[in-house]
Amino acid sequence: AQSVTQLGSHVSVSEGALVLLRCNYSSSVPPYLFWYVQYPNQGLQLLLKYTSAATLVKGINGFEAEFKKSETSFHLTKPSAHMSDAAEYFCAVIIDQTGANNLFFGTGTRLTVIP
Amino acid sequence: GAVVSQHPSRVICKSGTSVKIECRSLDFQATTMFWYRQFPKQSLMLMATSNEGSKATYEQGVEKDKFLINHASLTLSTLTVTSAHPEDSSFYICSARDHGGRVGRTEAFFGQGTRLTVV
Repeated sequence: AQSVTQLGSHVSVSEGALVLLRCNYSSSVPPYLFWYVQYPNQGLQLLLKYTSAATLVKGINGFEAEFKKSETSFHLTKPSAHMSDAAEYFCAVIIDQTGANNLFFGTGTRLTVIP
Repeated sequence: GAVVSQHPSRVICKSGTSVKIECRSLDFQATTMFWYRQFPKQSLMLMATSNEGSKATYEQGVEKDKFLINHASLTLSTLTVTSAHPEDSSFYICSARDHGGRVGRTEAFFGQGTRLTVV
């Protein structure tokens, strides 16, 4: 079955430091992968997505992610953390062959930015 | 990007009453909408897939008689929590895709979520 695993439910970084949020997927076919951000009591906002084009994907707010098939990973990074980046981040996957077009979410990673 | 509006953002109701949550796609047509439930500090769990003009498809373990879904038009889907109980308290989020959108060629747009508290 398709799935995503987010390693680390909580990540803390200092302001200005590198942000690295990990996501590994499980799929026997090429997946479509997404990163979403959720601020408290709000819905989800798309940061970026991988859809079998370029393996390095750039998103909003300075975030980017690299699809690595050999590692089945799609880690999210940002060179320099900002206080406004503090939020919950979800990795999600769609496996096209299901035909259901459903997003399957990881368990989420809460990012804390320390001033 | 496209906008999905979810209403209300917060609702408090008494145990035993029913609550309706609306999900509207404001600037695109959505033949399919998805309803998620999110428990505190946890991920989103898909409850059901709402298809315009037909019955919703519920995920395993979700009571369809308790969580009534209606998708009467291409821009509106509603979730009604019937005979609500405190254990139904949660954060409910809807999402929608563009009409005819293919996997990967469009994104899912999310509503702002509804915080339901049953007292």
